[in-house]
Amino acid sequence: EDKVVQSPLSLVVHEGDTVTLNCSYEVTNFRSLLWYKQEKKAPTFLFMLTSSGIEKKSGRLSSILDKKELFSILNITATQTGDSAVYLCAVEAISGSGDKLTFGTGTRLAVRP
Amino acid sequence: DSGVTQTPKHLITATGQRVTLRCSPRSGDLSVYWYQQSLDQGLQFLIQYYNGEERAKGNILERFSAQQFPDLHSELNLSSLELGDSALYFCASAATSGSSFPDTQYFGPGTRLTVL
Repeated sequence: EDKVVQSPLSLVVHEGDTVTLNCSYEVTNFRSLLWYKQEKKAPTFLFMLTSSGIEKKSGRLSSILDKKELFSILNITATQTGDSAVYLCAVEAISGSGDKLTFGTGTRLAVRP
Repeated sequence: DSGVTQTPKHLITATGQRVTLRCSPRSGDLSVYWYQQSLDQGLQFLIQYYNGEERAKGNILERFSAQQFPDLHSELNLSSLELGDSALYFCASAATSGSSFPDTQYFGPGTRLTVL
């Protein structure tokens, strides 16, 4: 069974701090890893990673994938209160009956002023 | 606003009942995905439709079914409801892509289902 584990479960930091969120996975026939940010309602897409070692960057957020060690990290630098959210990692696995997407339980980040 | 609409916003019903959740994708998007988010199970992918046909199936129970109509809107039918079906149900849409899960999905606001 495909598994995605995120750590930590919860994190409280002060504005300006840098945080690193972790996602490890065990899937058969990996295709991609996705990061989402979920505030009060629906998740919003952050990154999709398919290749090892290539950093994806968007403003203060960046992410990288290690397909050998089966993990990804999401970095947020100079955190702001608006970064407070649950960050979800999901892994897509290729399947004959259509790809499957498995989510981790998320990391809840709280950024204090 | 993602452009994906879901109705109703909230639904309260009793065990054993049947409900239908509706989703209208963004204009031009051919793929529709359904997800369930509950407190104990987190976010789970249920099913995907592409241009009217089922394309991928996740952890969808046999009591649940979905379809996508010619106008591309989709409905998720939940029957013989149990307390554990209480959750937030999201629909997402995407334009065509080579993989089942493209790099951008646009999520709707969700339907909160409460089963009493």
